[in-house]
Parts: sequence; C-alpha cells; structure tokens
Amino acid sequence: GQQLNQSPQSMFIQEGEDVSMNCTSSSIFNTWLWYKQDPGEGPVLLIALYKAGELTSNGRLTAQFGITRKDSFLNISASIPSDVGIYFCAGHVSTGNTPLVFGKGTRLSVIA
Amino acid sequence: DGGITQSPKYLFRKEGQNVTLSCEQNLNHDAMYWYRQDPGQGLRLIYYSQIVNDFQKGDIAEGYSVSREKKESFPLTVTSAQKNPTAFYLCASSDRGPSSNQPQHFGDGTRLSIL
Repeated sequence: GQQLNQSPQSMFIQEGEDVSMNCTSSSIFNTWLWYKQDPGEGPVLLIALYKAGELTSNGRLTAQFGITRKDSFLNISASIPSDVGIYFCAGHVSTGNTPLVFGKGTRLSVIA
Repeated sequence: DGGITQSPKYLFRKEGQNVTLSCEQNLNHDAMYWYRQDPGQGLRLIYYSQIVNDFQKGDIAEGYSVSREKKESFPLTVTSAQKNPTAFYLCASSDRGPSSNQPQHFGDGTRLSIL
C-alpha cells in the first residue's frame, strides 16, 4: 500500500526547545491528521487538517497542510517531558475510497 | 464515556492456536479498522469494515480473519496461519467510511505474544 515519508525518525531535544517534524507524499492528499502515541497505548488525534494552506493550533502544537497538498508539518513549541512519545502523520488520498495512509512515526525524547 | 474498548490488554498464544481479539465501540461509528504495529514499522492495516456484514482486506490480511455482525463490534481472529503474530494490535473506528475523510479514533491496543 501507499506510504508516507515521515521525518525525522527520532529526535532528542532539551526541555524548552521547539520541535518540527514533517510528512511528504508522492500523491495529493485531501486530509492530513496528526496523532500522538504514548507507550503501550493507542494513538490519540492531535490535529486534523482539511484544506490546503490550513494552519491549525492545539495548545503548543501547530500543524499545517502544505499548499502542494503533498506534505504537512507539525511544530511543538517549548517542549515539556510529557511531549515524549511517537507522533504519526496520516492522510487521505484525494481519489478513491481508500483508508488512511500512515507515516512510520517520529519518536520524540525530551531531556529535562 | 464514549470510546473504543479493546480486550484483553495482553494475550499469550501457543503455536498452532487461533486467538480472537475483541474490539467494541459505543461511538455509533459506521467504520471500524484493525492495525498491526511492529517496532519501527508504523501502523499496517489488516482489515476494515465500512458497514455491518461487510469488510475489506487491508495490506496484510493473510493469516487473519474478521467478522462484523454488529455495528459496535469488530473482532479479529489471529489464525495459526499467521506465522509471526507477535505484535501490538490496534482497533480504530470512524464516523463514516474511508472516503468521508473522517478521522479514526483508536483503542488502547492488545499486545499478543507467542509462548
């Protein structure tokens, strides 16, 4: 099936730093979703994006739907220890009746 | 509270056995999904169902079976034909089927291990 290229694979940052991660696809998407997964739990939806160019915030998190509709970005400002986890991007291809496509995740570690 | 309940949290299987993982949702969602998660692999789709009595194979359906007899329930059976079943299994649901672009909401997973 389709895959999204999500980068970086992992990040180690100091508490208080800002974080950026992104996803790219060779196909045009009409929806981008960002999830966070804590160890041993299911992913939780953070932000949903439905329009090219859309910029949406959820607390310290901000995500953008790229204008080419082939990419999306997630930024976390002023990271804290509870930001630790795996962040997944996911998207719906604009054609066909296909389920969500997921990236392989970015593993974030925060050093206090 | 509305949500998705997966049970059990941990499951152990002897080689050659079939095991069934439970997934129940009270969100009144039409569509339900099963994913397998291995370290560093992200989420891989096993099966999904858009309505009762209908289901479709995902990317890695071999060795698995599902049923959708009720809207609330979408059990996954890991059969003895699945040679490497050790993984974390996640169930999800969405308000409508894949073409609606509705986000999926996940349960807390079942970790399956082989004895």
